[in-house]
Amino acid sequence: AQSVTQPDIHITVSEGASLELRCNYSYGATPYLFWYVQSPGQGLQLLLKYFSGDTLVQGIKGFEAEFKRSQSSFNLRKPSVHWSDAAEYFCAVGAFSGGSNYKLTFGKGTLLTVNP
Amino acid sequence: DAGITQSPRHKVTETGTPVTLRCHQTENHRYMYWYRQDPGHGLRLIHYSYGVKDTDKGEVSDGYSVSRSKTEDFLLTLESATSSQTSVYFCAISEPGWGSYNSPLHFGNGTRLTVT
Repeated sequence: AQSVTQPDIHITVSEGASLELRCNYSYGATPYLFWYVQSPGQGLQLLLKYFSGDTLVQGIKGFEAEFKRSQSSFNLRKPSVHWSDAAEYFCAVGAFSGGSNYKLTFGKGTLLTVNP
Repeated sequence: DAGITQSPRHKVTETGTPVTLRCHQTENHRYMYWYRQDPGHGLRLIHYSYGVKDTDKGEVSDGYSVSRSKTEDFLLTLESATSSQTSVYFCAISEPGWGSYNSPLHFGNGTRLTVT
């Protein structure tokens, strides 16, 4: 079964600073990888996804993520954080199991605080 | 936004009563999911469906049942609500497949359930 670990529960950065949120996954094959963002009181919004091909993927709001197979990682980055980026971020891995059954497994999330 | 409607948006109920949450989609997606979100746990899969009348358990299925009699509706029932089931419940839909990798989960806006 697949699993996802987000080692950082809470990260604080200053506005304008760079950001990297860590994500490690466990799965026997190449998984489908996602990053979602959740603002308070809202549902989850997809930031970006990786299925195959170029290991550096671009997403919305200036975010990017890099898939590193050797490290089983899919870290999320942004060069310059804006105050509006304050939210909770979830990494997820999707995989087929038991034939055609497809499931998404989420990490526990990283809460991002942005200081002015 | 994906056409996903969760109802009710908020509910307060008493311990021991049955509760049914509804998820309705207008996207004709084959897969539908119920997650619960709790602080420190991220999102955990309760049940999911991969077609009409085809459902399977997730990682936290005890005390919950689901039904899917139509493509567009996925019902989650708490058979006898307990305080530990106080949570925010999210429905999600997807249409993954070997030939269509580009369909991640799309989430509803959630149902906040309080069991007193």
